[in-house]
Amino acid sequence: KAGVTQTPRYLIKTRGQQVTLSCSPISGHRSVSWYQQTPGQGLQFLFEYFSETQRNKGNFPGRFSGRQFSNSRSEMNVSTLELGDSALYLCASSSRPNEQFFGPGTRLTVL
Amino acid sequence: AQSVTQLDSQVPVFEEAPVELRCNYSSSVSVYLFWYVQYPNQGLQLLLKYLSGSTLVESINGFEAEFNKSQTSFHLRKPSVHISDTAEYFCAVSEPGGYNKLIFGAGTRLAVHP
Repeated sequence: KAGVTQTPRYLIKTRGQQVTLSCSPISGHRSVSWYQQTPGQGLQFLFEYFSETQRNKGNFPGRFSGRQFSNSRSEMNVSTLELGDSALYLCASSSRPNEQFFGPGTRLTVL
Repeated sequence: AQSVTQLDSQVPVFEEAPVELRCNYSSSVSVYLFWYVQYPNQGLQLLLKYLSGSTLVESINGFEAEFNKSQTSFHLRKPSVHISDTAEYFCAVSEPGGYNKLIFGAGTRLAVHP
Protein backbone atom coordinates (compact mmCIF):
# COMPACT_ATOMS: atom_id res chain seq x y z
CA LYS A 1 0.00 0.00 0.00
CA ALA A 2 1.16 3.49 -0.73
CA GLY A 3 1.72 5.70 2.27
CA VAL A 4 0.23 9.07 3.06
CA THR A 5 1.14 11.60 0.41
CA GLN A 6 1.20 15.35 0.81
CA THR A 7 1.47 17.95 -1.89
CA PRO A 8 3.27 20.15 -2.41
CA ARG A 9 6.30 19.24 -0.33
CA TYR A 10 7.60 22.80 -0.23
CA LEU A 11 5.82 26.09 -0.61
CA ILE A 12 6.82 29.73 -0.37
CA LYS A 13 4.18 32.41 0.07
CA THR A 14 4.09 36.02 1.12
CA ARG A 15 2.20 37.59 3.99
CA GLY A 16 -1.47 38.14 3.30
CA GLN A 17 -1.75 35.39 0.71
CA GLN A 18 -3.69 32.21 1.18
CA VAL A 19 -2.52 28.64 0.70
CA THR A 20 -4.08 25.21 0.21
CA LEU A 21 -2.30 22.02 1.18
CA SER A 22 -3.38 18.57 0.09
CA CYS A 23 -3.25 15.19 1.76
CA SER A 24 -4.05 11.80 0.26
CA PRO A 25 -4.53 9.16 2.94
CA ILE A 26 -3.65 5.50 2.76
CA SER A 27 -6.26 3.63 0.76
CA GLY A 28 -9.17 2.64 2.97
CA HIS A 29 -8.40 5.15 5.70
CA ARG A 30 -11.33 7.42 6.47
CA SER A 31 -9.75 9.61 9.14
CA VAL A 32 -7.35 12.41 8.30
CA SER A 33 -5.74 14.65 10.90
CA TRP A 34 -3.58 17.73 10.45
CA TYR A 35 -0.77 18.97 12.66
CA GLN A 36 1.45 22.05 12.61
CA GLN A 37 5.10 21.67 13.62
CA THR A 38 7.20 24.72 14.47
CA PRO A 39 10.45 25.11 16.41
CA GLY A 40 8.75 27.34 18.96
CA GLN A 41 5.41 25.65 19.54
CA GLY A 42 6.29 22.08 18.60
CA LEU A 43 3.65 19.75 17.23
CA GLN A 44 0.11 21.04 17.56
CA PHE A 45 -3.15 19.41 16.50
CA LEU A 46 -5.15 21.40 13.98
CA PHE A 47 -8.19 19.26 13.19
CA GLU A 48 -9.42 15.81 12.25
CA TYR A 49 -11.85 14.78 9.55
CA PHE A 50 -13.74 11.55 9.34
CA SER A 51 -16.11 10.70 6.49
CA GLU A 52 -16.13 14.32 5.31
CA THR A 53 -17.02 15.69 8.77
CA GLN A 54 -14.78 17.57 11.13
CA ARG A 55 -14.96 15.66 14.40
CA ASN A 56 -12.20 17.30 16.39
CA LYS A 57 -10.56 20.69 16.35
CA GLY A 58 -7.48 22.22 17.95
CA ASN A 59 -6.99 25.72 19.22
CA PHE A 60 -6.19 27.63 16.04
CA PRO A 61 -7.74 30.79 14.63
CA GLY A 62 -10.44 30.63 12.02
CA ARG A 63 -7.89 31.42 9.30
CA PHE A 64 -7.09 27.71 9.41
CA SER A 65 -9.74 25.55 7.83
CA GLY A 66 -10.01 22.18 6.22
CA ARG A 67 -12.24 19.82 4.39
CA GLN A 68 -12.42 16.22 3.35
CA PHE A 69 -13.74 14.82 0.13
CA SER A 70 -15.75 11.67 -0.50
CA ASN A 71 -12.57 9.79 -1.47
CA SER A 72 -11.09 10.73 1.95
CA ARG A 73 -8.54 13.12 0.47
CA SER A 74 -8.24 16.22 2.59
CA GLU A 75 -7.18 19.80 2.09
CA MET A 76 -6.31 22.46 4.59
CA ASN A 77 -6.43 26.14 3.84
CA VAL A 78 -4.76 29.02 5.57
CA SER A 79 -5.98 32.48 4.68
CA THR A 80 -4.25 35.82 5.25
CA LEU A 81 -0.91 34.22 5.92
CA GLU A 82 1.29 35.53 8.73
CA LEU A 83 5.00 35.05 9.24
CA GLY A 84 4.23 32.80 12.20
CA ASP A 85 2.41 30.36 9.94
CA SER A 86 5.76 29.19 8.59
CA ALA A 87 5.87 25.56 9.63
CA LEU A 88 5.91 21.94 8.63
CA TYR A 89 2.32 20.82 8.18
CA LEU A 90 1.84 17.13 8.76
CA CYS A 91 -1.10 15.03 7.74
CA ALA A 92 -1.91 11.66 9.28
CA SER A 93 -4.42 9.05 8.22
CA SER A 94 -6.02 6.28 10.21
CA SER A 95 -8.37 3.36 9.74
CA ARG A 96 -8.91 2.84 13.46
CA PRO A 97 -8.36 4.82 16.66
CA ASN A 98 -4.86 5.21 18.08
CA GLU A 99 -3.06 4.11 14.95
CA GLN A 100 -2.09 7.04 12.74
CA PHE A 101 0.28 7.05 9.80
CA PHE A 102 1.96 10.34 9.02
CA GLY A 103 2.92 11.79 5.69
CA PRO A 104 6.26 13.53 5.00
CA GLY A 105 4.75 16.96 5.48
CA THR A 106 4.52 20.20 3.54
CA ARG A 107 7.04 22.83 4.51
CA LEU A 108 5.45 26.27 4.23
CA THR A 109 7.60 29.37 4.32
CA VAL A 110 5.89 32.74 4.65
CA LEU A 111 7.97 35.76 3.62
CA ALA B 1 -6.23 19.67 30.14
CA GLN B 2 -3.63 17.17 29.08
CA SER B 3 0.04 18.04 28.76
CA VAL B 4 3.26 16.19 28.04
CA THR B 5 6.71 17.06 29.33
CA GLN B 6 9.84 15.62 27.82
CA LEU B 7 12.49 16.33 30.35
CA ASP B 8 15.49 16.41 28.04
CA SER B 9 15.66 18.42 24.84
CA GLN B 10 18.87 16.69 23.74
CA VAL B 11 20.48 13.42 24.72
CA PRO B 12 23.98 12.64 23.41
CA VAL B 13 25.11 9.05 23.76
CA PHE B 14 27.82 6.77 22.38
CA GLU B 15 26.99 3.87 20.11
CA GLU B 16 26.13 0.63 21.94
CA ALA B 17 25.43 2.51 25.18
CA PRO B 18 21.99 2.34 26.85
CA VAL B 19 19.66 5.32 26.67
CA GLU B 20 16.53 6.55 28.42
CA LEU B 21 14.33 9.33 27.08
CA ARG B 22 12.03 10.67 29.76
CA CYS B 23 8.38 11.56 29.37
CA ASN B 24 5.87 12.70 31.98
CA TYR B 25 2.26 13.53 31.35
CA SER B 26 -0.50 15.36 33.12
CA SER B 27 -4.13 14.42 32.75
CA SER B 28 -7.24 14.23 34.88
CA VAL B 29 -8.48 11.18 32.98
CA SER B 30 -7.05 7.94 31.69
CA VAL B 31 -4.84 8.39 28.68
CA TYR B 32 -3.29 6.47 25.87
CA LEU B 33 0.46 6.97 25.45
CA PHE B 34 2.68 6.96 22.39
CA TRP B 35 6.25 7.38 21.27
CA TYR B 36 6.93 8.63 17.76
CA VAL B 37 10.26 9.04 15.97
CA GLN B 38 11.07 11.63 13.32
CA TYR B 39 14.09 11.31 11.07
CA PRO B 40 15.40 14.41 9.27
CA ASN B 41 13.06 15.71 6.58
CA GLN B 42 10.51 13.01 7.25
CA GLY B 43 7.15 12.65 8.95
CA LEU B 44 6.51 10.86 12.20
CA GLN B 45 6.67 7.10 12.63
CA LEU B 46 4.94 5.31 15.48
CA LEU B 47 7.50 3.55 17.64
CA LEU B 48 5.22 2.04 20.28
CA LYS B 49 2.05 2.71 22.22
CA TYR B 50 0.32 1.89 25.46
CA LEU B 51 -3.44 1.53 25.41
CA SER B 52 -4.11 -0.96 28.20
CA GLY B 53 -2.86 -4.23 29.61
CA SER B 54 0.82 -4.87 30.25
CA THR B 55 2.57 -1.71 31.33
CA LEU B 56 5.73 -2.65 29.43
CA VAL B 57 5.48 -2.23 25.68
CA GLU B 58 8.12 -3.02 23.10
CA SER B 59 8.89 -1.99 19.55
CA ILE B 60 10.33 -4.18 16.81
CA ASN B 61 13.64 -2.33 16.78
CA GLY B 62 14.62 -2.83 20.41
CA PHE B 63 12.99 0.12 22.15
CA GLU B 64 10.71 -0.37 25.12
CA ALA B 65 8.64 1.91 27.33
CA GLU B 66 6.98 1.39 30.66
CA PHE B 67 3.76 3.03 31.72
CA ASN B 68 3.93 4.12 35.35
CA LYS B 69 0.58 5.44 36.48
CA SER B 70 1.68 6.54 39.94
CA GLN B 71 4.53 8.61 38.52
CA THR B 72 2.56 9.59 35.39
CA SER B 73 5.53 8.60 33.28
CA PHE B 74 6.18 6.74 30.06
CA HIS B 75 9.95 6.66 29.64
CA LEU B 76 11.53 5.19 26.51
CA ARG B 77 14.57 2.95 26.82
CA LYS B 78 16.95 1.02 24.63
CA PRO B 79 19.74 -1.15 26.06
CA SER B 80 22.14 -0.56 23.15
CA VAL B 81 21.75 2.24 20.59
CA HIS B 82 22.99 2.40 17.01
CA ILE B 83 24.04 5.33 14.88
CA SER B 84 20.82 4.86 12.93
CA ASP B 85 18.78 5.66 16.05
CA THR B 86 19.83 9.31 15.73
CA ALA B 87 16.54 11.17 15.36
CA GLU B 88 13.99 13.25 17.25
CA TYR B 89 11.65 11.38 19.55
CA PHE B 90 8.22 12.62 20.58
CA CYS B 91 6.06 11.43 23.42
CA ALA B 92 2.33 11.94 22.97
CA VAL B 93 -0.95 11.32 24.75
CA SER B 94 -4.52 11.00 23.64
CA GLU B 95 -7.72 10.75 25.59
CA PRO B 96 -10.15 7.85 25.21
CA GLY B 97 -12.98 9.20 23.15
CA GLY B 98 -10.76 11.94 21.78
CA TYR B 99 -10.55 10.17 18.46
CA ASN B 100 -7.11 10.71 16.94
CA LYS B 101 -6.17 13.98 18.61
CA LEU B 102 -2.62 13.71 19.93
CA ILE B 103 -0.97 16.06 22.41
CA PHE B 104 2.79 16.01 21.87
CA GLY B 105 5.76 16.79 24.04
CA ALA B 106 8.44 19.16 22.80
CA GLY B 107 10.64 16.33 21.59
CA THR B 108 14.03 14.91 22.53
CA ARG B 109 16.85 14.92 20.02
CA LEU B 110 18.85 11.71 20.40
CA ALA B 111 22.36 12.01 18.97
CA VAL B 112 24.31 8.76 18.80
CA HIS B 113 28.06 9.19 18.38
CA PRO B 114 30.54 6.54 17.19
